[in-house]
Amino acid sequence: AQSVSQHNHHVILSEAASLELGCNYSYGGTVNLFWYVQYPGQHLQLLLKYFSGDPLVKGIKGFEAEFIKSKFSFNLRKPSVQWSDTAEYFCAVTPSGAGSYQLTFGKGTKLSVIP
Amino acid sequence: GAGVSQSPSNKVTEKGKDVELRCDPISGHTALYWYRQSLGQGLEFLIYFQGNSAPDKSGLPSDRFSAERTGGSVSTLTIQRTQQEDSAVYLCASSLEAGGWETQYFGPGTRLLVL
Repeated sequence: AQSVSQHNHHVILSEAASLELGCNYSYGGTVNLFWYVQYPGQHLQLLLKYFSGDPLVKGIKGFEAEFIKSKFSFNLRKPSVQWSDTAEYFCAVTPSGAGSYQLTFGKGTKLSVIP
Repeated sequence: GAGVSQSPSNKVTEKGKDVELRCDPISGHTALYWYRQSLGQGLEFLIYFQGNSAPDKSGLPSDRFSAERTGGSVSTLTIQRTQQEDSAVYLCASSLEAGGWETQYFGPGTRLLVL
């Protein structure tokens, strides 16, 4: 079975700082990778996803993530964070292929951006 | 169109009582998922429905949990004889089709508190 590790439980940054949130997965085959975000009081929404092609994926609100297969990683980045990026971020994985659909989530990283 | 909706948004119940949680997926989405978000366990997959196929119940934590999906649309998650460890946020998601590459759209969740 697959698993996801998010190493940072809570990250605190000042506005305009650069962000990188780590995500590593464990699975023996090919995978689809996702980053979801949960803003305070709101529901989970998709930031970006990777399933094939260019390993550098761009998502909404200036976020991007890079899939490094050799490192089993899918780190999330943003060059300059804003206060409105304060949220909890979840990395998730599904095995590739038909019949694979259940998302396996990491424990989440809480991001606090200080104005 | 409208997103995934869930009701009730909050539910407080006494230990031993049964509860029903409802999910209305996005219109036209054939796949529906239930997840549970709890402090200790993070986000866990519970059950999955795809069209008229038999559901994947592999994530249900005990036989006190059951779910059904009527007419390929609305779903109800039932927890019988609730226990305090059932306290969590229950999330429903839907996707256009089944498949690991599909984006799952999440509802706002039902926050369940078992006293």
